[in-house]
Amino acid sequence: GAVVSQHPSWVICKSGTSVKIECRSLDFQATTMFWYRQFPKQSLMLMATSNEGSKATYEQGVEKDKFLINHASLTLSTLTVTSAHPEDSSFYICSARDPTAVSYNEQFFGPGTRLTVL
Amino acid sequence: AQSVSQHNHHVILSEAASLELGCNYSYGGTVNLFWYVQYPGQHLQLLLKYFSGDPLVKGIKGFEAEFIKSKFSFNLRKPSVQWSDTAEYFCAVNAGNNRKLIWGLGTSLAVNP
Repeated sequence: GAVVSQHPSWVICKSGTSVKIECRSLDFQATTMFWYRQFPKQSLMLMATSNEGSKATYEQGVEKDKFLINHASLTLSTLTVTSAHPEDSSFYICSARDPTAVSYNEQFFGPGTRLTVL
Repeated sequence: AQSVSQHNHHVILSEAASLELGCNYSYGGTVNLFWYVQYPGQHLQLLLKYFSGDPLVKGIKGFEAEFIKSKFSFNLRKPSVQWSDTAEYFCAVNAGNNRKLIWGLGTSLAVNP
């Protein structure tokens, strides 16, 4: 149980275009999802907390208009990188909490999406 | 502010050597503790977790960790490492009602055959 998927697993786009990444909880309903960014050989950086039916909570320094997060249903959150630039190239990872689980604070991670902006 | 520190940034061991990776956190209340592993080119996997009960936690692949509340530590151990244990290891803490995970910077482990 507690499987999280991401789509696409990798994407290459041109500078100036927008890219949407999907995060799905496959076998549970996730009221809260998290979006992280990971640079090579570095730790995860939390970008935002996505709450179903409400606005996402962004971490300090993360541009809300640049990284649009939508959590329209209990099993889907999307991250849209708008007007992408080469510096946005990174590994984006989502995670989700299962509020019904005994270990409800545990986060289950998706496999990540590799974004390359040319 | 809550923080997690991993003392060893890069560790190189020979096969069959014992491993201990340090993890300390700063928070005085109830914590949930996690160790994740990321093998080269792969996504994060949960090694083990501590929520309550026995402070010695056993995880997958022969790993274990001990929660020592008085030392604010949750060190990861394995008695005999294998080449396949080469990976990045991350300690993470969820403190109190904060739903966010606070991450350590990670430790890169290289095991020589």
